[in-house]
Amino acid sequence: SAVISQKPSRDICQRGTSLTIQCQVDSQVTMMFWYRQQPGQSLTLIATANQGSEATYESGFVIDKFPISRPNLTFSTLTVSNMSPEDSSIYLCSVEEKGASDTQYFGPGTRLTVL
Amino acid sequence: AQKVTQAQTEISVVEKEDVTLDCVYETRDTTYYLFWYKQPPSGELVFLIRRNSFDEQNEISGRYSWNFQKSTSSFNFTITASQVVDSAVYFCALRFSRLTFGEGTQLTVNP
Repeated sequence: SAVISQKPSRDICQRGTSLTIQCQVDSQVTMMFWYRQQPGQSLTLIATANQGSEATYESGFVIDKFPISRPNLTFSTLTVSNMSPEDSSIYLCSVEEKGASDTQYFGPGTRLTVL
Repeated sequence: AQKVTQAQTEISVVEKEDVTLDCVYETRDTTYYLFWYKQPPSGELVFLIRRNSFDEQNEISGRYSWNFQKSTSSFNFTITASQVVDSAVYFCALRFSRLTFGEGTQLTVNP
């Protein structure tokens, strides 16, 4: 399976600031996704990052708050904008490889704390 | 609508005990995929197994085994002879158009 890295692995940020999280894959992948996992909870899909076009957002998530870029088939960024303590979560990117099998593999996650 | 239910929020066992994690799902689709993932305290999500809806064969991988029963819409996961390193949150997930996760089961294996 693809090797996925995320930067930063963790961060502590002040209210009102923004943080950009990077997701890098070691091979070209068709689909990339961004998830949020609030403390003690399950994973919720934020958006599908589409290469060369705007991301597709799930209900409850908007582009102004979570802008996403996907400039190529191996890289994506998620920005958490104008942060509040409610944004404290683990953010995970996942990928589906070309020709694969509907299996999503996940990056190590970015643990964000907003003060 | 898709839904995954993991009724066991927390399970605590002593090392070497066998433990079964339950997963019940709801979907109207006839073609779908079921998954189990492990999330250790470090936070990464580790893929364990994928099953498609047409393959009801049970699977065994070392100490892990999975029982898929379409008739009861269940996809249960058993760890035999549990070890401390098995302590983690385990998620069951269902995929049709998107991946839907259950709420997870926190497994603690005590020495």
